Amino acid sequence: DAGITQSPRHKVTETGTPVTLRCHQTENHRYMYWYRQDPGHGLRLIHYSYGVKDTDKGEVSDGYSVSRSKTEDFLLTLESATSSQTSVYFCATRLAARTNTGELFFGEGSRLTVL
Amino acid sequence: SQQGEEDPQALSIQEGENATMNCSYKTSINNLQWYRQNSGRGLVHLILIRSNEREKHSGRLRVTLDTSKKSSSLLITASRAADTASYFCATVRQTGANNLFFGTGTRLTVIP
Repeated sequence: DAGITQSPRHKVTETGTPVTLRCHQTENHRYMYWYRQDPGHGLRLIHYSYGVKDTDKGEVSDGYSVSRSKTEDFLLTLESATSSQTSVYFCATRLAARTNTGELFFGEGSRLTVL
Repeated sequence: SQQGEEDPQALSIQEGENATMNCSYKTSINNLQWYRQNSGRGLVHLILIRSNEREKHSGRLRVTLDTSKKSSSLLITASRAADTASYFCATVRQTGANNLFFGTGTRLTVIP
């Protein structure tokens, strides 16, 4: 257990409102990720971070922004939520590794509903 | 686009039987990982197999990798009701961004 806490766990909001999801980890993992999970699509990477203030886009980054001002916190922001962003959002972390190996540790998910 | 595709999408077996799930992928990989997700929970890492390995065991889990066919299989032997979950394969590419690509998963139901 990498001590990953996501908040809020559930949120209902209206179209056009801003939403911020928070991921907090206690294991000092270097890499952090935000995925969304939708039926029929599996998990798709939104954004990831490879260090403080170092972030990059994933395959479904449009409409999302992220920030990482501290090692332990990775924020996902929907500037103006749309119904297509209704999903379950997962944060994950990974230890730094010399090569592209190593397991991901996941939070319990944040269920977002945009009405 | 997704890297892995699991087959079948859903599998229902009796307790005690073996469960086999397959994963196919499209590009060269560094390693392939299998994850489990209980309903309403986050994913949990089960096992990793590197591209130069052909088979790996962990308890009741057996994973095979055939890089020539770009496919992997996960076998759960002597299944239990507690194995009921969704199982995902995830691939790490040899080049490119530092992340994993997940398939759509296999939903396994083990009937007591």
